[in-house]
Amino acid sequence: SQELEQSPQSLIVQEGKNLTINCTSSKTLYGLYWYKQKYGEGLIFLMMLQKGGEEKSHEKITAKLDEKKQQSSLHITASQPSHAGIYLCGADGRQGAQKLVFGQGTRLTINP
Amino acid sequence: DAGVTQSPTHLIKTRGQHVTLRCSPISGHKSVSWYQQVLGQGPQFIFQYYEKEERGRGNFPDRFSARQFPNYSSELNVNALLLGDSALYLCASSFLGLPAGEQFFGPGTRLTVL
Repeated sequence: SQELEQSPQSLIVQEGKNLTINCTSSKTLYGLYWYKQKYGEGLIFLMMLQKGGEEKSHEKITAKLDEKKQQSSLHITASQPSHAGIYLCGADGRQGAQKLVFGQGTRLTINP
Repeated sequence: DAGVTQSPTHLIKTRGQHVTLRCSPISGHKSVSWYQQVLGQGPQFIFQYYEKEERGRGNFPDRFSARQFPNYSSELNVNALLLGDSALYLCASSFLGLPAGEQFFGPGTRLTVL
């Protein structure tokens, strides 16, 4: 079965600094999704990547999928307190159901 | 438009009890999925239902069951609760046939088992 490994597990950065979160898959990714979660709340969809080498940006967040489609990164530029939360990568489980397989999450704290 | 709604928001039960969690999908969505998120981990897939039929099941014991109603709302039932069932239970809805990631998640129900 597919497994996703995120790194780091937690991250504390100074406001205004850049940061990167990585997501590595044990198998080729057919669809990679990034979500943000406030503590104890539902998931907010950020971006979807499907093609090798694909890169998408929204405001100060950029997500990339490598050419081999086994690794993705999420980069935040000039971090703000509003970026704090848990970032999750998810992959299409591809077992006949709309099943998402998730990484364990990266907890991001922004210090003022 | 209303998003995915879940009830109750929080729930406290004791070991051995039974619990029912409810989910109402976004209007027009016929597919509902359930996920369990234990503290500090990513969500794990429990079930997907479409048109009242189970379309997928994750690696969860038979104590977990679900059903979908004609109005596409869904219930997740857990019997004989264990301490390890304490988690945030998330419901997601979508149109069938779309990529798995194009699901909309509800705010979750926080279940605490004492």
